[in-house]
Amino acid sequence: DIQLTQSPSFLSASVGDRVTITCRASQGISSSLAWYQQKPGKAPKLLIYAASTLQSGVPSRFSGSGSGTEFTLTISSLQPEDFATYYCQQLNSYPWTFGQGTKVEIK
Amino acid sequence: EVQLVESGGGLVQPGRSLRLSCTTSGFTFGDYAMNWVRQAPGKGLEWVGFIRSKAYGGTAEYAASVKGTLTISRDDSRSIAYLQMNSLKTEDTAVYYCSRAGDPEYYYYGLDVWGQGTTVTVSS
Repeated sequence: DIQLTQSPSFLSASVGDRVTITCRASQGISSSLAWYQQKPGKAPKLLIYAASTLQSGVPSRFSGSGSGTEFTLTISSLQPEDFATYYCQQLNSYPWTFGQGTKVEIK
Repeated sequence: EVQLVESGGGLVQPGRSLRLSCTTSGFTFGDYAMNWVRQAPGKGLEWVGFIRSKAYGGTAEYAASVKGTLTISRDDSRSIAYLQMNSLKTEDTAVYYCSRAGDPEYYYYGLDVWGQGTTVTVSS
């Protein structure tokens, strides 16, 4: 199975900060990576697919990059509604797998 | 509006079975692959498996941790996906979400629509 390792697992940031989350795959997955946001008690929400394509309706402050084994999710200016847990998911080979999550909290 | 609604969760004893349903509306269900993802209390997301549309064989793929005990099926005439859970263990306790693959053919589009989840508690 392909393992995804997110870093950091937890980060504390302020409104307006630029935030970057990294997702590393244990083997190459081309650009078959998605990013999700999850708030407590809610279902995940798709933010980015194919590593860098913004899902319709998602604010442009979110962006994704990378290919192969290293990927990043960047929030250019953190907003109050962005405090949540973020997950990457690889869809390159079965079984599809998620990273362990990165919790973004208010500093 | 595209909607997914899970049902069938509850409290069940270890070793018993349970079938979850994902009732959908607002899109042509038969065109899309459907996924199940679970989340144990306080833990991260775990992909359970998915079933392809009939156009792509209607076959399923599963996580290794559930292979043999969980089965995904679909009823295109009713726009419902199912998760049959057998020989349940305490470690199967989780919120179970169904979700749609974002594109009928190119799965790297991610999982674009999710239900609200249904809770399964396995306990004696």
